[in-house]
Amino acid sequence: KNQVEQSPQSLIILEGKNCTLQCNYTVSPFSNLRWYKQDTGRGPVSLTIMTFSENTKSNGRYTATLDADTKQSSLHITASQLSDSASYICVVTWGLLTGGGNKLTFGTGTQLKVEL
Amino acid sequence: KAGVTQTPRYLIKTRGQQVTLSCSPISGHRSVSWYQQTPGQGLQFLFEYFSETQRNKGNFPGRFSGRQFSNSRSEMNVSTLELGDSALYLCASSFGQGSIEQFFGPGTRLTVL
Repeated sequence: KNQVEQSPQSLIILEGKNCTLQCNYTVSPFSNLRWYKQDTGRGPVSLTIMTFSENTKSNGRYTATLDADTKQSSLHITASQLSDSASYICVVTWGLLTGGGNKLTFGTGTQLKVEL
Repeated sequence: KAGVTQTPRYLIKTRGQQVTLSCSPISGHRSVSWYQQTPGQGLQFLFEYFSETQRNKGNFPGRFSGRQFSNSRSEMNVSTLELGDSALYLCASSFGQGSIEQFFGPGTRLTVL
C-alpha cells in the first residue's frame, strides 16, 4: 500500500532549539517529495521540493534531506522561533506523468509547538 | 502577483443540501487541484483539472465533482451533503499539469449540520 508516515505526531520545543521531523514513504515510482508548513486556519505553504537525485535542500532555517534508497526524508529546523509553530506536512508525488498521471500521498503531519 | 483565492471562506449547510466552492488560480496557472482536509484523515486529494479537463482523480464518491472554466477558474460541487463532509477544502494551482510547485489557497471551511 502506498503510504506516507510522519513522526513524531506532535512536538513541543523551546524557542531557539533545533528539531528534526521525519517522513517515511513506501510509494513507487517516486517522483518528488515536498515539505509544507501549514499555520492554523490557513493553506499549506511550500518549504522545499526534492526530486530523486537531490539529497538535501535548504530554505532559510529549514533543511530537508532525502534518502531515496531507504525512502526517508527529514526536515530540520534550526534556531526555532515562535512563528515556527504549525503543522508540517510531507507530501510524496508518485506515478507516471503519462497515463493515469501523478498521484499524491500526504502524511498526516507533525504538529510543532515552539514555546518561550 | 495575486495568490490563489477561494470563495466563500466559510460555509454552513445541512445534511442533504448541495454546495459549490470556487477557486481562482494564480494568473497564468492552468492547473487546479482540490483537496479535503479533516483532523482525522489529513489532506486527501480530490481531483486535478488542467485545460478544462479532469486529469487525475482521488478516491472520493461521485457526490464530489468539479469543473474548470476557460479562464482556469475552477468550481467544486458536493451534492447530498453528509456530516462527514465537514472539512477544510483547499485548492492549489500550478503552472502545468503535474507541476512540482503548487500554491495553495486559504481554503473554504465547510460545516455540515
